[in-house]
Amino acid sequence: AQSVTQLDSHVSVSEGTPVLLRCNYSSSYSPSLFWYVQHPNKGLQLLLKYTSAATLVKGINGFEAEFKKSETSFHLTKPSAHMSDAAEYFCVVRMHDYKLSFGAGTTVTVRA
Amino acid sequence: NAGVTQTPKFQVLKTGQSMTLQCAQDMNHNSMYWYRQDPGMGLRLIYYSASEGTTDKGEVPNGYNVSRLNKREFSLRLESAAPSQTSVYFCASSEGLAGVTYEQYFGPGTRLTVT
Repeated sequence: AQSVTQLDSHVSVSEGTPVLLRCNYSSSYSPSLFWYVQHPNKGLQLLLKYTSAATLVKGINGFEAEFKKSETSFHLTKPSAHMSDAAEYFCVVRMHDYKLSFGAGTTVTVRA
Repeated sequence: NAGVTQTPKFQVLKTGQSMTLQCAQDMNHNSMYWYRQDPGMGLRLIYYSASEGTTDKGEVPNGYNVSRLNKREFSLRLESAAPSQTSVYFCASSEGLAGVTYEQYFGPGTRLTVT
């Protein structure tokens, strides 16, 4: 069985400060992991994906995530938040039958 | 190249009414999906179609039916709407079944309210 837990339902940061969104997964084998972003009233967009080639994955808009097998984590970070980063972020794991399982989401607000 | 399009964008139904949500993609993708999004629950898979001519149940299929009309179009039907089906519905498509290689592309969503 596989599942994903996003540890924070809401994160608030000041513009220009780092962003950390935490995600833990459970999997009976080596997982495939993704981060998606959803801006208000929009569909979801892929930020980055872990393909087992490298543990540090770089995505779009300056985001990156690190896969840590020992901690079963796939946390998303950005060194400096921008107002346009205000959105909802989903950590996603690919299940054994190729379907995707979504975390509950983390809402990011960015203060000016 | 419009990607994934969904109609309508908004809909209000009364309990017991029926409706069909339409989805189309112009990326020549083989696989298509319907999700619902509820607060605090992420996205949950309703039905999916791995390829033209096939459909399978996802996590929450009860109360819904789907039709893969052709390679481009995948519709979701609510035969007798219930308030519990108030949600935002997303259609997605991918080159093949979702996985490391096959990114899912999402439509803008349909906001459905059942009163």
